[in-house]
Amino acid sequence: GENVEQHPSTLSVQEGDSAVIKCTYSDSASNYFPWYKQELGKRPQLIIDIRSNVGEKKDQRIAVTLNKTAKHFSLHITETQPEDSAVYFCAASRYSSASKIIFGSGTRLSIRP
Amino acid sequence: SAVISQKPSRDICQRGTSLTIQCQVDSQVTMMFWYRQQPGQSLTLIATANQGSEATYESGFVIDKFPISRPNLTFSTLTVSNMSPEDSSIYLCSVDLAGTTDTQYFGPGTRLTVL
Repeated sequence: GENVEQHPSTLSVQEGDSAVIKCTYSDSASNYFPWYKQELGKRPQLIIDIRSNVGEKKDQRIAVTLNKTAKHFSLHITETQPEDSAVYFCAASRYSSASKIIFGSGTRLSIRP
Repeated sequence: SAVISQKPSRDICQRGTSLTIQCQVDSQVTMMFWYRQQPGQSLTLIATANQGSEATYESGFVIDKFPISRPNLTFSTLTVSNMSPEDSSIYLCSVDLAGTTDTQYFGPGTRLTVL
């Protein structure tokens, strides 16, 4: 069945440095790839997404890249700040009115002061 | 986006009992989904709540254990039946806004503890 693998499971970076989280997906028909950030005790919040017709998307300090041939996509956070500490989930789905999202296992990102 | 609320926000229940969780959205939405998030884990889709018809359950989840209602385009309920400690989890609803994209937005979740 459909599967999304996410690495690493935990990541600790120095404040100001960059963080990269990587995901691979199994369903070649997937064409929508959102990323969610979940702070402790809070709901998952969409932070950025990308569709299969583009290879990269940026929003201030975060960017996502997609390689459809290799079936992998990555989240890049630059100039990390303490408020970036959270669990990040990648996900994949096929766009349709009945689309369901398959989530990765999550990455716990810690920013060291 | 939409304002999504869930009731209750948390509950502690005895094994063998049932709990109904409500999800309310402030606008009409096409799709509503129910997820389970076990402690320290990712999100697992339980079912898609279909308006006017039976919910569509994912593998490993059955209607007898997790009955779902969707009486209209702004409201859904999930019942966790005959609970055991293994049902202790956070239950989240999410919505896919009508007429827009397939982006899903999550409710605040219901933290369930079964003793």
